[in-house]
Amino acid sequence: DAGVIQSPRHEVTEMGQEVTLRCKPISGHDYLFWYRQTMMRGLELLIYFNNNVPIDDSGMPEDRFSAKMPNASFSTLKIQPSEPRDSAVYFCASSPQGARTGELFFGEGSRLTVL
Amino acid sequence: GENVEQHPSTLSVQEGDSAVIKCTYSDSASNYFPWYKQELGKRPQLIIDIRSNVGEKKDQRIAVTLNKTAKHFSLHITETQPEDSAVYFCAAQPGFQKLVFGTGTRLLVSP
Repeated sequence: DAGVIQSPRHEVTEMGQEVTLRCKPISGHDYLFWYRQTMMRGLELLIYFNNNVPIDDSGMPEDRFSAKMPNASFSTLKIQPSEPRDSAVYFCASSPQGARTGELFFGEGSRLTVL
Repeated sequence: GENVEQHPSTLSVQEGDSAVIKCTYSDSASNYFPWYKQELGKRPQLIIDIRSNVGEKKDQRIAVTLNKTAKHFSLHITETQPEDSAVYFCAAQPGFQKLVFGTGTRLLVSP
């Protein structure tokens, strides 16, 4: 398996623009997570899905952020409108249901810069 | 909700020395405590984990200890090498499959 695949790897946009980040989890993994990483706050959980259903979105910072998982192999995180404080690395991770451990398998991340 | 605190934020050691990173958590229901290593520009990867029914676990040069009563756990790296230089994150699991991470420790091992 190629692992968790994220795109784009880098995104530079201007304030007010819409940003869409994409993720393909590892096949067979039933949990998908979106994390945001900044120097100040480390890794913050934004939202996670189980079997394509959002379970906990309490980490989504505000209504400008939305996430979807239309099927088991694809998820998006959208920011509209984007702001400079959204600049961060966004990681998608997946995990198999029923795994003995809660190990997360992370993608390479999407580095977002909002000017 | 669960809150994980991690110290120190940066740690510099000489090659061959030991390094210790400490974390505390707030939710007594947490029962799984992994440690992730993130090299510069790379993804976080699991290096070792421990469950609440175990007090200590070791894997070659790394070990993790857990004190459930005090709600703290620690990562120990012995005989550090330059390739151990990275950011290390502790985490606690308060609910099935949901991990809450600490803010990270940047470890620098000097030759």
